[in-house]
Amino acid sequence: QVQLVQFGAEAKKPGASVKVSCKASGYTFTGYYLHWVRQAPGQGLEWMGWINPNSGGTDIPQKFQGRVTMTRDTSTSTAYMEVGRLTSGDTAVYYCARGQFPGFTYGDAFDVWGQGTMVTVSS
Amino acid sequence: SFDLTQPTSVSVSPGQTVSITCSGGGLGTEYACWYQQKPGQSPVLLIYQDNRRPSGIPERFSGSYSGNTATLTISGTQAMDEADYYCQAWNSGTVLFGGGTKLTVL
Repeated sequence: QVQLVQFGAEAKKPGASVKVSCKASGYTFTGYYLHWVRQAPGQGLEWMGWINPNSGGTDIPQKFQGRVTMTRDTSTSTAYMEVGRLTSGDTAVYYCARGQFPGFTYGDAFDVWGQGTMVTVSS
Repeated sequence: SFDLTQPTSVSVSPGQTVSITCSGGGLGTEYACWYQQKPGQSPVLLIYQDNRRPSGIPERFSGSYSGNTATLTISGTQAMDEADYYCQAWNSGTVLFGGGTKLTVL
């Protein structure tokens, strides 16, 4: 079945970087955009941008530009997001989620979610 | 850009109908969708394009909109529906989420 698999947890110190992964299966990886969403403890959902797995193109909101990088490896159907210059405010569960329709559809919902990677930033 | 505003919490008795609203200045021109998130779990898509249900989502979940407000309605609420609910919409190429509504089934 369609799945997005993420690893469990990472612990980092302030100022460090973290690279989280999202392995897709059960569908054509290059056919659907992947989005990244984070959720701080006890807080709501925050969108961090998308990657087009076919071209590698990305769209990252201004808030995260210069600090967040999204890449993919089509040979393993895996998407990655690296967040640099971590602070305690980046402590959150980081989810990948698939755009609902093939290609890019403005207004897409997210129909498949990974289980999330918990990133804890603490000295 | 606009914000999406949801009530922080809503309560309902089992078997009753409850509505959760999501207000935002651009919702009249943008599709809204809704997610359910239970503690320790990933969000699940409930409604997309304002009022469409993905396969596998029970019919008791429905969506509607009027003006700048999208509404999620749960009919015949069950104890298993106790969860956080988030609305989501796009605006100028950016994805927005509402702050979330905690639904308590009393």
